[in-house]
Amino acid sequence: KNEVEQSPQNLTAQEGEFITINCSYSVGISALHWLQQHPGGGIVSLFMLSSGKKKHGRLIATINIQEKHSSLHITASHPRDSAVYICASRGATNKLIFGTGTLLAVQP
Amino acid sequence: NAGVTQTPKFQVLKTGQSMTLQCAQDMNHEYMSWYRQDPGMGLRLIHYSVGAGITDQGEVPNGYNVSRSTTEDFPLRLLSAAPSQTSVYFCASSRGQSYGYTFGSGTRLTVV
Repeated sequence: KNEVEQSPQNLTAQEGEFITINCSYSVGISALHWLQQHPGGGIVSLFMLSSGKKKHGRLIATINIQEKHSSLHITASHPRDSAVYICASRGATNKLIFGTGTLLAVQP
Repeated sequence: NAGVTQTPKFQVLKTGQSMTLQCAQDMNHEYMSWYRQDPGMGLRLIHYSVGAGITDQGEVPNGYNVSRSTTEDFPLRLLSAAPSQTSVYFCASSRGQSYGYTFGSGTRLTVV
């Protein structure tokens, strides 16, 4: 059974800091998703990646297939980045298995 | 361009009542799924569908039914609500394996 583990569970940063959130999974996958959820809000898809690296604005996602590990980086963090960040693995059956999320608070 | 629309946004039920959570998408996505989100746990898959007329169970299907009569709609039925079904429910759709997911805004359900 594929398990998805995220770290840290909680993260507090000062505005402008570089942030890294980690995600590990236990079995082979077809893709790894990063999602963002604001408090009381809906879920927004940030990235889907199966290899290498993707960048969108200040967000960067990387994946190492051999090590079964992915990271989400936020450069020049801002209070509006405060949210829960969730990684999810996607297997051959198209189902998503989610991590429990990382609660990020960026203080001004 | 509505994306994935979930209704209602909030609902309070009494134990034993039944209800249907609605989910509709206008992107012609084949894959649709329902998840529940509980504190301290990741989202968990309840049921999913890979196309009209095809549904299958996810990780936590007990107490829920689904049907997929059209590509657009994927309603989730609670047969006899229980307090353990108090949760936030999300519907999501995807074009397929090589594409990302679009999530609805969620339904917060409380069973008393």
